[in-house]
Amino acid sequence: EIVLTQSPGTLSLSPGERATLSCRASQSVSSSYLAWYQQKPGQAPRLLIYGASSRATGIPDRFSGSGSGTDFTLTISRLEPEDFAVYYCQQYGSSFTFGPGIKVDIK
Amino acid sequence: QVQLQESGPGLVKPSQTLSLTCTVSGGSINSGGYYWSWIRQHPGKGLECIGYIFYSGSTYYNPSLKSRVTISVDTSKKQFSLKLSSVTAADTAVYYCARGSGGFDIWGQGTMVTVSS
Repeated sequence: EIVLTQSPGTLSLSPGERATLSCRASQSVSSSYLAWYQQKPGQAPRLLIYGASSRATGIPDRFSGSGSGTDFTLTISRLEPEDFAVYYCQQYGSSFTFGPGIKVDIK
Repeated sequence: QVQLQESGPGLVKPSQTLSLTCTVSGGSINSGGYYWSWIRQHPGKGLECIGYIFYSGSTYYNPSLKSRVTISVDTSKKQFSLKLSSVTAADTAVYYCARGSGGFDIWGQGTMVTVSS
């Protein structure tokens, strides 16, 4: 099973700042089958990025994904108030596993 | 657009079987390339994929739950279902149904299931 590790556990930033979230896999994720989700309290997760770097429908371009192999990054170029949430990475190249999540909170 | 809605009991007794149904609206469940999935989230914790089914009936189950899980599909009703047997308190969670295709792009709102006597 591919284990995903996300860092940091919590990221404290101010609106307008840049957020860089890391996701590392225990083995290579085939074909960059890596997705990122945003989850707010009491809501279902929302797909942001799939295929490591493709934005899902309706996702603002301040969200971008990059990486391959075992190292992936989600970048939020300028944090908006609605972006403070928990972010999960997920690989779907070999069954499915999620990372433990990164909480982005207001500094 | 496609929407998913979970339904089923919110309270299940230990050792019994948890049964949930997900109804697909606004689109077809027969669309090729999609896998119809169940995902759960323990209170305050992360996400766990339980398994999925294609409209053809082929399935994948999380190895850690495989012995207790059955996922089925009824294309005529545009529904897919989850059965989880021999539940314990550790199965208390929010259960989501989701459509998979390069990540899970559409989710139901989730339903809280508590295992308690």
